[in-house]
Amino acid sequence: AQTVTQSQPEMSVQEAETVTLSCTYDTSESDYYLFWYKQPPSRQMILVIRQEAYKQQNATENRFSVNFQKAAKSFSLKISDSQLGDAAMYFCASQTNNNNDMRFGAGTRLTVKP
Amino acid sequence: SQTIHQWPATLVQPVGSPLSLECTVEGTSNPNLYWYRQAAGRGLQLLFYSVGIGQISSEVPQNLSASRPQDRQFILSSKKLLLSDSGFYLCAWTGQPNQPQHFGDGTRLSIL
Repeated sequence: AQTVTQSQPEMSVQEAETVTLSCTYDTSESDYYLFWYKQPPSRQMILVIRQEAYKQQNATENRFSVNFQKAAKSFSLKISDSQLGDAAMYFCASQTNNNNDMRFGAGTRLTVKP
Repeated sequence: SQTIHQWPATLVQPVGSPLSLECTVEGTSNPNLYWYRQAAGRGLQLLFYSVGIGQISSEVPQNLSASRPQDRQFILSSKKLLLSDSGFYLCAWTGQPNQPQHFGDGTRLSIL
């Protein structure tokens, strides 16, 4: 079974600054995938970034990057140059190779201060 | 391109009434389909998933059921709603194995 833990219920960041959201996971699978999703007030679930567990290189998507520490089972999200539109709930998720078992963390609410 | 449609966006139902939420996917064939529920301020809980027509797997035993009458149609149902069924329901799909799930806009269900 998989579990995903987000230990920060809320975070805030000043506009243009950098913030890191934490996520740890536990899985018995050797082949899995990790994701960060963003859920703005509209409640749409928007994929932010994806990491394959077999890849050592950290994924990067514009201002969003991850710090993937496989041995520690840690998958944090770094948002650089934070913008007001980054304010949202952020969910970390893991998915096993069979594609039918995606587990989500409880989420971190990010506030961006102007 | 692929799109996912979910309706209705908002629904208010009395306790004991039936429920039918519909989700359809366009632009792909044989997708894996998922129903999630999100309680207020919480993460997503997987309710059902389907890998093909008529194939439904249930993650959490409860008052709800799911059906997949067509390849790209996924329906969430209940015969008698409970107060605890209130929440935000999200449908999702994925095509190729190990690709991210793509979500619909969700249905906010309130039970009175």
